[in-house]
Amino acid sequence: NAGVMQNPRHLVRRRGQEARLRCSPMKGHSHVYWYRQLPEEGLKFMVYLQKENIIDESGMPKERFSAEFPKEGPSILRIQQVVRGDSAAYFCASSPTGGRTEAFFGQGTRLTVV
Amino acid sequence: GENVEQHPSTLSVQEGDSAVIKCTYSDSASNYFPWYKQELGKRPQLIIDIRSNVGEKKDQRIAVTLNKTAKHFSLHITETQPEDSAVYFCAQMYSSASKIIFGSGTRLSIRP
Repeated sequence: NAGVMQNPRHLVRRRGQEARLRCSPMKGHSHVYWYRQLPEEGLKFMVYLQKENIIDESGMPKERFSAEFPKEGPSILRIQQVVRGDSAAYFCASSPTGGRTEAFFGQGTRLTVV
Repeated sequence: GENVEQHPSTLSVQEGDSAVIKCTYSDSASNYFPWYKQELGKRPQLIIDIRSNVGEKKDQRIAVTLNKTAKHFSLHITETQPEDSAVYFCAQMYSSASKIIFGSGTRLSIRP
């Protein structure tokens, strides 16, 4: 089991460009969580998805951010028209079921907006 | 409400001594409480967890206690070693399938 895979590990974007972050959950896991972590800060919840469904997106900014978890393929976190304040580490985690079960994190994608 | 408070934010202990990190939560529906360790530049890693039907769980030098009445849970690390230096996050999950909410983290430093 390869674990939770995120790519790219590092992503540099100019202001105004789009960033697409990918997360492949562990085999057998159908629940994905995305978190943002600023330097020296904690893990801020963004969105929780199951296959083809967004369960909770209460942590997502209202504009420019979207997430999906299609029936086939990885979960995608998309940030349109990036700004410098979007620079952060973005982690995803997966679990076999939601709630009360272990969730494991990927290595994260470090987004730098220049 | 969806909130978990974690204390202290920084903790420095002498190697070999014990470290204790405490978290409180507000939603009585929470029933799963994991702890994660994050080393600098790395991913958070699950180190121990406890479910609401258990009061204490131990794994070698690490133990977690849960007091449902008071709505707090704690991480205890005994015989601390240099490799224990990291940021530790408590977290909670709710009874319905939903998000994991993290505490603000505790930066633990082990003095040689």
